[in-house]
Amino acid sequence: DGGITQSPKYLFRKEGQNVTLSCEQNLNHDAMYWYRQDPGQGLRLIYYSQIVNDFQKGDIAEGYSVSREKKESFPLTVTSAQKNPTAFYLCASMSAGRKVRYTFGSGTRLTVV
Amino acid sequence: ILNVEQSPQSLHVQEGDSTNFTCSFPSSNFYALHWYRWETAKSPEALFVMTLNGDEKKKGRISATLNTKEGYSYLYIKGSQPEDSATYLCAFLPNQAGTALIFGKGTTLSVSS
Repeated sequence: DGGITQSPKYLFRKEGQNVTLSCEQNLNHDAMYWYRQDPGQGLRLIYYSQIVNDFQKGDIAEGYSVSREKKESFPLTVTSAQKNPTAFYLCASMSAGRKVRYTFGSGTRLTVV
Repeated sequence: ILNVEQSPQSLHVQEGDSTNFTCSFPSSNFYALHWYRWETAKSPEALFVMTLNGDEKKKGRISATLNTKEGYSYLYIKGSQPEDSATYLCAFLPNQAGTALIFGKGTTLSVSS
């Protein structure tokens, strides 16, 4: 079955460390997105990519980095510069054409200890 | 910054009650409006993608309407069931190439049997 896989489901990080969250899709979707959710907040856009080797900053990109070397993969690195990294991170993808829906992964909960 | 507002924030109803939620979005620069259902411990699942003013969509007991001129959409659930308990997300897509969905904070529905 096609879908989006996010790993790990839970991640613990020490302060000052960089961590990378994985997002892989086998849907042949062109666009991929990273959102963050905090308690009481909606999903906020971190980064997105419309095609391979290209990506754009979202509303809260500071302290994060991404790469899009393959169509299937869009990893998100949470760097030590991100002041409040503890959150739930959700990856999504969408096929070409802007009238189609997103497909979401199951998320990664990151906790800084 | 474009804003999407959803109300109410949460709602508790009895099995069999009908209910509705509101999503407000910018009336200018509109391209599409999405509704997603997000059950606990699962991925958000697309309900509707709406693009035309006056659109009405239906999926089982759930339906949605769209008014792009005044910038609102309603989601209706007829005869709520416990399995309808979830957070319902509304998301706005601006009419601008290369953009991503802007989400509201969601309405959390709890249905008691």
